[in-house]
Amino acid sequence: QVQLQESGPGLVKPSETLSLTCTVSGGSVSSGNSFWNWIRQPPGKGLEWISYIYKSGGTNYNPSLKSRVTISLDTSKNQFSLKLSSVTAADTAVYYCARGYEDWGQGTLVTVSS
Amino acid sequence: QAVVTQEPSLTVSPGGTVTLTCGSSTGAVSSGHYPYWFQQKPGQAPRTLIYYTSKKHSWTPARFSGSLLGGKAALTLSGAQPEDEAEYYCLLSYSGAWVFGGGTKLTVL
Repeated sequence: QVQLQESGPGLVKPSETLSLTCTVSGGSVSSGNSFWNWIRQPPGKGLEWISYIYKSGGTNYNPSLKSRVTISLDTSKNQFSLKLSSVTAADTAVYYCARGYEDWGQGTLVTVSS
Repeated sequence: QAVVTQEPSLTVSPGGTVTLTCGSSTGAVSSGHYPYWFQQKPGQAPRTLIYYTSKKHSWTPARFSGSLLGGKAALTLSGAQPEDEAEYYCLLSYSGAWVFGGGTKLTVL
């Protein structure tokens, strides 16, 4: 089973860019038919899909976040990453990375605050 | 962007049967929305129970099943156990863009 681990700053200032990396072990980001997802969950609220990327580099974004999100793949490091620009308090959430929707990371809390 | 709707909360008795539903603001849910169902317990990441309407993973308890019912995706739990108390989310695809439902808090009481 593939394991995923999110990493990145737990605190980001308003208007800055949130950057997270997901490190994949037990499998390769460049093999198979998998797509690699970012999903978030504000404290006490529901899940929100953010974006995915295929091994080919093809991407798709949540329309409500598209203007602020960049997702990328680093096959040499077996990682994929998320950048979310111009963050506000509304972007405070637990951020999950996932392989498709089968294997999930444990999630990392990112708080947006000055 | 489409809105996916779920019952905010449901209660089931131990051993009982309950059906959770997942509707779409754009019309009937079909297999083309590739419905997923997730279970999430406090402090844990979501876990997929059902994918592509009715397919199960190796870890999905047999008491859970997925279907399409009355224009919605449905998750049926037959023979509820105390450990099934959790939040349940559905997920639908809209031409490659995915939308989660708001979640159903299931109480086993």
